Amino acid sequence: AQSVTQLGSHVSVSEGALVLLRCNYSSSVPPYLFWYVQYPNQGLQLLLKYTTGATLVKGINGFEAEFKKSETSFHLTKPSAHMSDAAEYFCAVIESGAGSYQLTFGKGTKLSVIP
Amino acid sequence: DVKVTQSSRYLVKRTGEKVFLECVQDMDHENMFWYRQDPGLGLRLIYFSYDVKMKEKGDIPEGYSVSREKKERFSLILESASTNQTSMYLCASSLQGARNQPQHFGDGTRLSIL
Repeated sequence: AQSVTQLGSHVSVSEGALVLLRCNYSSSVPPYLFWYVQYPNQGLQLLLKYTTGATLVKGINGFEAEFKKSETSFHLTKPSAHMSDAAEYFCAVIESGAGSYQLTFGKGTKLSVIP
Repeated sequence: DVKVTQSSRYLVKRTGEKVFLECVQDMDHENMFWYRQDPGLGLRLIYFSYDVKMKEKGDIPEGYSVSREKKERFSLILESASTNQTSMYLCASSLQGARNQPQHFGDGTRLSIL
């Protein structure tokens, strides 16, 4: 069975500071990993995904994430926070190979950016 | 661009009413999903469908049913609404046969049951 843990339900950073949102997963087979962002009163929007190949994945709005198999992690980073990055971020996993198309989501991390 | 449209952004209903939430996608996706989102609990899967007239229970199906009569449309039904079903409901769709493809989400329906 797959699961996702996001450390920290709330994270606050100053504008211009590094953003680091943590995600750890468990999966019995190689996973596909996703980060989604949700702005207030909107649905989820895909930020980036890891499937195979390069372990450092670049996404939209300057975000990137690195897949570390040995640490079962897929942390999301951005070098310099902008006010517009304030939103809730969700990490999700799906197991590769045959089987279900169900995503398993973490509980989310709400990012606040302080001017 | 994939468009997933949920029929209502905000909905207020009364306890005991039968409630229909509609979702339509325009990209010929086989897979469709209904989630509810509550603070601190993240997204929880209610039902999903991989084909017309096909449905599978997710993690929290109690009190809900679904209908998929056409490929592009997936409806969530609250048979007899209760106050504990007040929540944000999100619909999503994805391609079949490509499990690394992301799910695409609608903007959500914020449902209040009074």
